[in-house]
Amino acid sequence: EIVLTQSPGTLSLSPGERATLSCRASQSVSSSYLAWYQQKPGQAPRVLIYGAFSRATGIPDRFSGSASGTDFTLTISRLEPEDFAVYYCQQGETFGQGTKVEIK
Amino acid sequence: QVQLQESGPGLVKPSETLSLTCTVSGGSISSHYWSWIRQPPGKGLEWIGYIYYSGSTNYNPSLKSRVTMSVDTSKNQFSLKLSSVTAADTAVYYCARRVVKPDYFDYWGQGTLVTVAS
Repeated sequence: EIVLTQSPGTLSLSPGERATLSCRASQSVSSSYLAWYQQKPGQAPRVLIYGAFSRATGIPDRFSGSASGTDFTLTISRLEPEDFAVYYCQQGETFGQGTKVEIK
Repeated sequence: QVQLQESGPGLVKPSETLSLTCTVSGGSISSHYWSWIRQPPGKGLEWIGYIYYSGSTNYNPSLKSRVTMSVDTSKNQFSLKLSSVTAADTAVYYCARRVVKPDYFDYWGQGTLVTVAS
């Protein structure tokens, strides 16, 4: 069973800053099977990135995904006020534990 | 636009069976995989299982002995039953559509909170 470890647990940043979120898989994972989600309080998760690199429909281009071996990264180039939320990575039936991006 | 809506009791007694239904609108339930995912208050996401429109299923091994999923293509609905519930099953339950290749969940219901308490 694959384990996805996200880091950091919490990221404290200001609007306009760059956010870099990490998701490390415990074993080799096809990039086709890695997705990122954003969840705001009281809402369902929303897919941002699928296939490690592809933005979902309607997702702004400040969100980007990358991969290197078992390490996957979600980058938000310039944080907007609406980007402060919890982010999860997912591969198959496994979700990471989440990274909270909070306002500094 | 595909929409999913969960329905069912918000309160279930310990040892009883939790039953939820997800109604799909704006698209057909056919030719897709449909999942249930839950989130205990303040915690992360846990995949419960999926059902294909044909009726084939795959469940989380940790819940497999207590989970049953079914699909009704005539009503564009699929359902979840979780038996012998305890307080640990208290969570927001989401239904979602799963894309297989690449692998991700593209449409989600709004979620429904189910509390297990006497």
